[in-house]
Amino acid sequence: SQKIEQNSEALNIQEGKTATLTCNYTNYSPAYLQWYRQDPGRGPVFLLLIRENEKEKRKERLKVTFDTTLKQSLFHITASQPADSATYLCALGDDKIIFGKGTRLHILP
Amino acid sequence: GAGVSQSPSNKVTEKGKDVELRCDPISGHTALYWYRQRLGQGLEFLIYFQGNSAPDKSGLPSDRFSAERTGESVSTLTIQRTQQEDSAVYLCASSPAQGTQTQYFGPGTRLLVL
Repeated sequence: SQKIEQNSEALNIQEGKTATLTCNYTNYSPAYLQWYRQDPGRGPVFLLLIRENEKEKRKERLKVTFDTTLKQSLFHITASQPADSATYLCALGDDKIIFGKGTRLHILP
Repeated sequence: GAGVSQSPSNKVTEKGKDVELRCDPISGHTALYWYRQRLGQGLEFLIYFQGNSAPDKSGLPSDRFSAERTGESVSTLTIQRTQQEDSAVYLCASSPAQGTQTQYFGPGTRLLVL
C-alpha cells in the first residue's frame, strides 16, 4: 500500500539557519506532491505544490525539491525565523490525497 | 470568499451519546474529506467524497462512524454511541473539481467525550 514517511522527531534549528525537512514515499508514482503547514489548534494550510516534471519549486524563503527516482521530496526554509515554528506535512495523490504524519519544526531564537 | 466552515467548533458529550458534526465546503468544490486528529498526532483519513461518485469510506474506524454529503454541498459526520477514544479534533477539507487536489481546511470541531 502507499506509504508516506516523515521524520517523526522534532527538528530544532537555530534562527537564521536553513531548515530541511524530508518526505519519503513508497508504492506510488504521484503526478505532484504538496506541502502544508499546521499550527497548534488549527487546520493545515497549503504552502507549495511541485509536479513530477519539476525538480525544484521556490516561494519566498521556501524551496521544495522532488526526486521521483529516490521517491523523496525535501522542503527547505532559508533564513529561518521563530515564526516558522510549526508542523509541516507532505501530501501526495492524484485523486485522493494522503498526508504524512508531519514533522514538528522548532526555530530557536 | 468564504472558506470551509465547520460546526460546532467545540462539542462536549457524554459517553454513549450520538454526535453530528457539520462541514460547509467552499462553493464549487467537488471533493470533500473528513479527518480525525488526536492530540499530538497526525491526520487520520476518515472518508472522501468526490462529486457524485460513491464515497471512499476506507478510513472509517468502526460502524459507529458514518458520513453523508448532499450533492456538492454540506456534509455531516455522525458518530453513534460515542466512546472516550473518539475525543479528537475532526477536520474537514474541500478541493476544487479541476486540477490538483489542493485542500482547504476548516477550523475543525473539537470533540470531547466524557
